[in-house]
Amino acid sequence: QVQLQESGPGLVKPSETLSLTCAVSGYSISNDYYWGWIRQPPGKGLEWIGSVYRSGSTYYNPSLKSRVTISVDTSKNQFSLRLSSVTAADTAVYYCASSGDYYFSFDYWGQGTLVTVSS
Amino acid sequence: QSALTQPASVSGSPGQSITISCTGSGSDVGGYNYVSWYQQHPGKAPKLMIYDVSRRPRGVSDRFSGSKSGNTASLTISGLQAEDEADYYCSSYTSTNTQVFGTGTKVTVL
Repeated sequence: QVQLQESGPGLVKPSETLSLTCAVSGYSISNDYYWGWIRQPPGKGLEWIGSVYRSGSTYYNPSLKSRVTISVDTSKNQFSLRLSSVTAADTAVYYCASSGDYYFSFDYWGQGTLVTVSS
Repeated sequence: QSALTQPASVSGSPGQSITISCTGSGSDVGGYNYVSWYQQHPGKAPKLMIYDVSRRPRGVSDRFSGSKSGNTASLTISGLQAEDEADYYCSSYTSTNTQVFGTGTKVTVL
């Protein structure tokens, strides 16, 4: 059973960089699947941030592309999110997720972590 | 990319069937059979209910079914139960190798 756990600061200052890590257990991230980050502002809907494939190819939401980087660390079996130049609008619960056997869907999810952007 | 359009709310009585629509364009919903549906209870992570338009992951009740016609996908919940009360989101793969979620629908069991 694939398990995902997000970690990172819960508070980030405006204009700084948000950095989160998703630790994966129960599966080797280098094997297959499709890994991604999704966020949800308080009281609002889901927004896809970006995804990375086993090949290492990354794809990002066009509205965030200039500020987002997703990377994979196979030695630690984890993947990461960096979002630069954050503003209050980036305050959200951030989820990491995996496709499992169902490509282009997210079958496994982390519990989510709230990141607040505030000075 | 614009969010897929869903009704803000849908309601039904226990035992009834309800349908939630998800409208996109030929560049997403209409162009690919990669539409998914997620259920989210308050304070919880989303749960995958349907993938590839109409397929159910292991363990998901057969009361949930999906379909697509043109640029609109639909999720039908049959035999509505109190535990089905939640927010539901569709998502689709797009022509630019990205994904887009729907605006979300709150399902209320009367």
